[in-house]
Amino acid sequence: DSGVTQTPKHLITATGQRVTLRCSPRSGDLSVYWYQQSLDQGLQFLIQYYNGEERAKGNILERFSAQQFPDLHSELNLSSLELGDSALYFCASSVAGTGSGNSPLHFGNGTRLTVT
Amino acid sequence: GEDVEQSLFLSVREGDSSVINCTYTDSSSTYLYWYKQEPGAGLQLLTYIFSNMDMKQDQRLTVLLNKKDKHLSLRIADTQTGDSAIYFCAEGDSSYKLIFGSGTRLLVRP
Repeated sequence: DSGVTQTPKHLITATGQRVTLRCSPRSGDLSVYWYQQSLDQGLQFLIQYYNGEERAKGNILERFSAQQFPDLHSELNLSSLELGDSALYFCASSVAGTGSGNSPLHFGNGTRLTVT
Repeated sequence: GEDVEQSLFLSVREGDSSVINCTYTDSSSTYLYWYKQEPGAGLQLLTYIFSNMDMKQDQRLTVLLNKKDKHLSLRIADTQTGDSAIYFCAEGDSSYKLIFGSGTRLLVRP
């Protein structure tokens, strides 16, 4: 158990809809990262927050947004969903603002999103 | 740009050693990681190596780094059926994200 909690585990929704994925980082971790894992794109970094502030942005679509709350949990909002958004969405956390060796990323079990 | 490459598939017999290879392009990488993903689960950090090291051993796992060739390998000794999973290599630099390879699916045959 990594200590990172993601809810829900599975989500099935229709095209055009909006969903919210939730992540609670490990106790004491200040950084939260979101990754998307799909069969054709592999693991893609979406966005990182550190202590409530956006720290880095990756391949995140404009239809997607995220935030980190004062209690350090994070939410990833996906809107105007398309079939191609079907994927596993992982949250990871680390102590520091960078994923260094003494502050590695610990991953949750993911939320599997299916868009029909 | 940054890129991490791995072979897609490896099959070994139980009890043999497994060697999973990875190449990366970013010479500024400071840490290199190996993660394991079992079906239906997230990525589990197995081990990592700092870029100024050549080798790191952790029980059945041995990581070898050839910085000149930008080549990283993970050796699993006495491979067990429970080691069957997808193994991801990842590189991290002074920025804030890890770049992952596409993963190597390891199948351990009884």
